[in-house]
Amino acid sequence: RKEVEQDPGPFNVPEGATVAFNCTYSNSASQSFFWYRQDCRKEPKLLMSVYSSGNEDGRFTAQLNRASQYISLLIRDSKLSDSATYLCVVPNSNSGYALNFGKGTSLLVTP
Amino acid sequence: DTGVSQDPRHKITKRGQNVTFRCDPISEHNRLYWYRQTLGQGPEFLTYFQNEAQLEKSRLLSDRFSAERPKGSFSTLEIQRTEQGDSAMYLCASSLTSSSYEQYFGPGTRLTVT
Repeated sequence: RKEVEQDPGPFNVPEGATVAFNCTYSNSASQSFFWYRQDCRKEPKLLMSVYSSGNEDGRFTAQLNRASQYISLLIRDSKLSDSATYLCVVPNSNSGYALNFGKGTSLLVTP
Repeated sequence: DTGVSQDPRHKITKRGQNVTFRCDPISEHNRLYWYRQTLGQGPEFLTYFQNEAQLEKSRLLSDRFSAERPKGSFSTLEIQRTEQGDSAMYLCASSLTSSSYEQYFGPGTRLTVT
């Protein structure tokens, strides 16, 4: 099993819709989790950190289910500018501070 | 702009040539990371530095790859005898020691080996 797995999508949603992405991870000892956003041909940028059961920041909510070893990202009231690839990230279980990135889930918000 | 910078942004080279990339981290960040990203994949960890010390190397970092951070500030990544499989985006990131998982990425160097 890969350390981090995501549904690559693409998810095509209309403006204003609510969309959710899931991510599963293999290392049950992981304590911290992250969502990064990557625009086309740009660098990844940290979107949210998840250290306990969840985190909310405006229209974005990240939730953690340790028993099932998955993390979700919920985007409410989608905007055109939310179109991007969302990368699920978990610290590497064999490393000090390296991050393991999923392949990313592609989101396209349409007018 | 005080973000992470990388140079060059694009590099096209012929197979067998050597290339070197530079990364300048955020000034107060003492941890610096190199990742590689290919199309359709997430970034893959290559190596990281704590100040000038290279503390970890991925098995992806073959003998043809070498990274340095001589004064604990900027870093260089050199690839010797490039192969077509080296074509990728090479991303540099930096972080504070206190929040090492919150890494800030530079714009990357896109390498094309012909």
